[in-house]
Amino acid sequence: QKEVEQDPGPLSVPEGAIVSLNCTYSNSAFQYFMWYRQYSRKGPELLMYTYSSGNKEDGRFTAQVDKSSKYISLFIRDSQPSDSATYLCAMSWGAQKLVFGQGTRLTINP
Amino acid sequence: DTGVSQNPRHKITKRGQNVTFRCDPISEHNRLYWYRQTLGQGPEFLTYFQNEAQLEKSRLLSDRFSAERPKGSFSTLEIQRTEQGDSAMYLCASSPGQGGTMNTEAFFGQGTRLTVV
Repeated sequence: QKEVEQDPGPLSVPEGAIVSLNCTYSNSAFQYFMWYRQYSRKGPELLMYTYSSGNKEDGRFTAQVDKSSKYISLFIRDSQPSDSATYLCAMSWGAQKLVFGQGTRLTINP
Repeated sequence: DTGVSQNPRHKITKRGQNVTFRCDPISEHNRLYWYRQTLGQGPEFLTYFQNEAQLEKSRLLSDRFSAERPKGSFSTLEIQRTEQGDSAMYLCASSPGQGGTMNTEAFFGQGTRLTVV
């Protein structure tokens, strides 16, 4: 079993829809949770960064962390075609390496 | 400073050749990481540096791989005797990692895409 599980999709939704992306993890030592967006043949771009449990909102993006369930989510409101990308969850237990999920490939259809 | 810079962006090499990649982190970022990403997968950790000290190496990093960060600034990743299985995107990231803080926000470069033929 991988430390971080993420459904690879692909996920296809119409423009304007609310998108929900999720990851589960097995290592209870994880304290830091991140979401990255990666366009084809580009490096990952940091979207959201959360410490421990709770919610964090930034514009159309909301990140949620439920440590009791070892479950994290990213919500995208009013999705746009420019949001089409691969979304990677990542987590760590300190200022060390990140452990990534497989990535979910998302397409927003106009 | 516009971010993490990696060179070259693409590299095609013949099996058995040696290749070297360079990463220039964001200025004043103490921590530097190397990851490898294959198609359809998330990045996998290879190694990281705190200033010039290499603090951790993954078991993925065979003895054909070596990384350096002289003077705690840029870093190089060398692969000797390349194999077709080394074909991947090699990503570099940096984070502030200041002593006493737990700032783990890691910022990635655009990667070096290696193709071994």
